Amino acid sequence: AQTVTQSQPEMSVQEAETVTLSCTYDTSESDYYLFWYKQPPSRQMILVIRQEAYKQQNATENRFSVNFQKAAKSFSLKISDSQLGDAAMYFCAYRWTSGSRLTFGEGTQLTVNP
Amino acid sequence: AAGVIQSPRHLIKEKRETATLKCYPIPRHDTVYWYQQGPGQDPQFLISFYEKMQSDKGSIPDRFSAQQFSDYHSELNMSSLELGDSALYFCASSRDGDRYYEQYFGPGTRLTVT
Repeated sequence: AQTVTQSQPEMSVQEAETVTLSCTYDTSESDYYLFWYKQPPSRQMILVIRQEAYKQQNATENRFSVNFQKAAKSFSLKISDSQLGDAAMYFCAYRWTSGSRLTFGEGTQLTVNP
Repeated sequence: AAGVIQSPRHLIKEKRETATLKCYPIPRHDTVYWYQQGPGQDPQFLISFYEKMQSDKGSIPDRFSAQQFSDYHSELNMSSLELGDSALYFCASSRDGDRYYEQYFGPGTRLTVT
């Protein structure tokens, strides 16, 4: 079974600084998708960024980028120029293929200090 | 753009009662997923339906049942409720053929069992 691990229960960053959230996963599959979701206090699940395993190039979405290391099964999220609105719980998630379930990590609570 | 609709948004039930949660997927989405997020936990996959047939089953208690109807909406029926069933229940939907088979989450139903 696939597992996703986030070893940082809490992280904090100063406004305008950069922070990196860590995620590792375990799978025997070669093709899969990885995601970072943001869950603010409203509890809405918001997709931040996705990565297809067959793509070597790291995904980027504005201030958000990932460092995908397939051999190491590592998938970290870098947030640049952190903003107060980035404060939230961040979940790393794995999905094997189309139509399959998402498996989430335990989450990292990010605090942004003004 | 239309989003996933869940009703009710909040529900309070007593132990041993039953509850029905409803999910209306984004138009033309054919797959529905249910997730349960306990307090301070990550979302856990319960069950999914594709074209009105159960496509995957996770850690769903036998007291729970679900189905997808001809109009693609889905209902999660929960019986003999226990205190431990108190959680946020998410529904997500996706469409077969979309490039990333993205799962779009609804706002969730917060169930409190007293």
